[in-house]
Amino acid sequence: DGGITQSPKYLFRKEGQNVTLSCEQNLNHDAMYWYRQDPGQGLRLIYYSQIVNDFQKGDIAEGYSVSREKKESFPLTVTSAQKNPTAFYLCASSVQGGAEAFFGQGTRLTVV
Amino acid sequence: KQEVTQIPAALSVPEGENLVLNCSFTDSAIYNLQWFRQDPGKGLTSLLLIQSSQREQTSGRLNASLDKSSGRSTLYIAASQPGDSATYLCAVEGSQGNLIFGKGTKLSVKP
Repeated sequence: DGGITQSPKYLFRKEGQNVTLSCEQNLNHDAMYWYRQDPGQGLRLIYYSQIVNDFQKGDIAEGYSVSREKKESFPLTVTSAQKNPTAFYLCASSVQGGAEAFFGQGTRLTVV
Repeated sequence: KQEVTQIPAALSVPEGENLVLNCSFTDSAIYNLQWFRQDPGKGLTSLLLIQSSQREQTSGRLNASLDKSSGRSTLYIAASQPGDSATYLCAVEGSQGNLIFGKGTKLSVKP
């Protein structure tokens, strides 16, 4: 089955701790995206990558970091600099910018 | 800056009704518009993609229209069913290929 896999589904972070969210796709898509969803708000773009070894900041990149070493993988690290990390995180991919986007099932991150 | 608005924020209808969800955007220079469905605690499922050169797309009981000049799109759901209950999200493509989302319409279809 082709698709986007996010793991873990639930993640708990202690104050001051870095955590990494996984996103893997087997759709052979070039473009990958990370969004954050908070209650009552639309999805907001954190980072995106249109090609391997290249990525750009989105609207709310502060406190986050990414890497794109392989076409199929785009992990997101939530650093201790992110002051309000509790949210639902969604990864997406598309063949290229402008094509239909497909989403993973999300990771719910909670600070404890 | 592109902004996307969805009206209404919530909608409750009896089963069998036809309904329309609205989406508006401030910058008409879009590449495409996509409608998604989101069930509680889940990811987004793509419903329909309308390219900027198209006026509408259809899939089963769903029909989406696009009027770029007025900055509007509608999602028409025919003969609604309880299984259609979900949040529906509209998104337009930004200049970097990313999507800019509205806040969604939460639909409840009562049996």
